[in-house]
Amino acid sequence: QVQLQESGPGLVKPSETLSLTCTVSGGSVSSGSYYWSWIRQPPGKGLEWIGYIYYSGSTNYNPSLKSRVTISVDTSKNQFSLKLSSVTAADTAVYYCASFGDAFDYWGQGTLVTVSS
Amino acid sequence: QSALTQPASVSGSPGQSITISCTGTSSDVGGYNYVSWYQQHPGKAPKLMIYDVSNRPSGVSNRFSGSKSGNTASLTISGLQAEDEADYYCSSYTSSSFWVFGGGTKLTVL
Repeated sequence: QVQLQESGPGLVKPSETLSLTCTVSGGSVSSGSYYWSWIRQPPGKGLEWIGYIYYSGSTNYNPSLKSRVTISVDTSKNQFSLKLSSVTAADTAVYYCASFGDAFDYWGQGTLVTVSS
Repeated sequence: QSALTQPASVSGSPGQSITISCTGTSSDVGGYNYVSWYQQHPGKAPKLMIYDVSNRPSGVSNRFSGSKSGNTASLTISGLQAEDEADYYCSSYTSSSFWVFGGGTKLTVL
């Protein structure tokens, strides 16, 4: 079973870039079995799909975030990463990484990122 | 692309059945059989309960079932149990090639 773990700073200043990494175990980001996804959830609110990447490097992003998002994959470390630029308080959320096979099958535990000066 | 529409809350007594609706458009729910449902307990990550409208992943109780009619998908939980109390989210693929979630439904077991 695939396991995922998010890591990165819990506090980011406004206008800066949020950077998170997801480490995958129990599976390989190079296997081609999954798309590797990022999803976020503002406190007390619903889920929002950010985007995903295939092992080949092909990406697909939520149009509402596309201009600020970059998702990349590092097959040597079995990780994939999220960068979100020019953050504001509205980007404060729990960020989840997830594998997408039939659906968003497996999820990390999530990491809270707060945007504040 | 707007979020899919779900009722804010539903409730039921132990042993009863409840249904949660998820309404979209012909550009998402109605256009594709790629609707999935997730259960989220407080402070926990979501868990996949149904995929491709009506398929259950291995390990998910057969008390959970999914269906779709037109632009509305539904999740039915039969034989309601206290542990089913959680938030539930639907998700669908869209004609714009991205994924959208519903606003979430809080299920209360009375």
